[in-house]
Amino acid sequence: EVQLVESGGGLVQPGRSLRLSCAASGFTFDDYGMDWVRQAPGKGLEWVSGISWNSGNIDYADSVKGRFTISRDNAKNFLYLEMNSLRAEDTALYYCARGSFDSSGFYYTFDSWGQGTLVIVSS
Amino acid sequence: DIQMTQSPSSLSASVGDRVTITCRASQTISTYLNWYQQKPGKAPKLLIYAASSLQSGVPSRFSGSGSGTDFTLTINTLQPEDFATYYCQQSYRTRRTFGQGTKLEIK
Repeated sequence: EVQLVESGGGLVQPGRSLRLSCAASGFTFDDYGMDWVRQAPGKGLEWVSGISWNSGNIDYADSVKGRFTISRDNAKNFLYLEMNSLRAEDTALYYCARGSFDSSGFYYTFDSWGQGTLVIVSS
Repeated sequence: DIQMTQSPSSLSASVGDRVTITCRASQTISTYLNWYQQKPGKAPKLLIYAASSLQSGVPSRFSGSGSGTDFTLTINTLQPEDFATYYCQQSYRTRRTFGQGTKLEIK
């Protein structure tokens, strides 16, 4: 069974840093891309960042580019999100999601999600 | 970035109804369009990918259509468990943006 378990969230002051982790199990981790998606309280889904299976392709939403860094450790089956210079608007539930291509190899989906870790940025 | 716009933002329907949700992309995305369902307090769940392909295990009352910039999600014969929020997402670019969501409520 695919399992994604996020951790590392909490209350942090504006301007400070936080590192989120996502522990993956139940599948061959380095066969898949991984992404972070966040959801502010009562709001919709916002894609944050994605990383390919070998870390060769990485991208960020403009809202976090230059402040957040995504990385992965394929030996340990972990995905990370280093968040610096945090702002109040970064307050959200952060999900990690498994990125999966269909059998054609063209269509990419988030076919498994964790339950999220809550980040609150407040003084 | 590609902007995704859903309509309506919310709608009310009854069990047994047929509902349609639309999603429009700010530029052509071919059929690189996914639909997700999210229930309160839960992670999103993939329903449809490649605009019209049903994810394994998803009931056949869900269907998707469209290409280019305009897409629809249709739910036939609404069931009580279908009342949730639905999101479209483009996978044409690596910045895989979501629509703002459509909340489907019981009338």
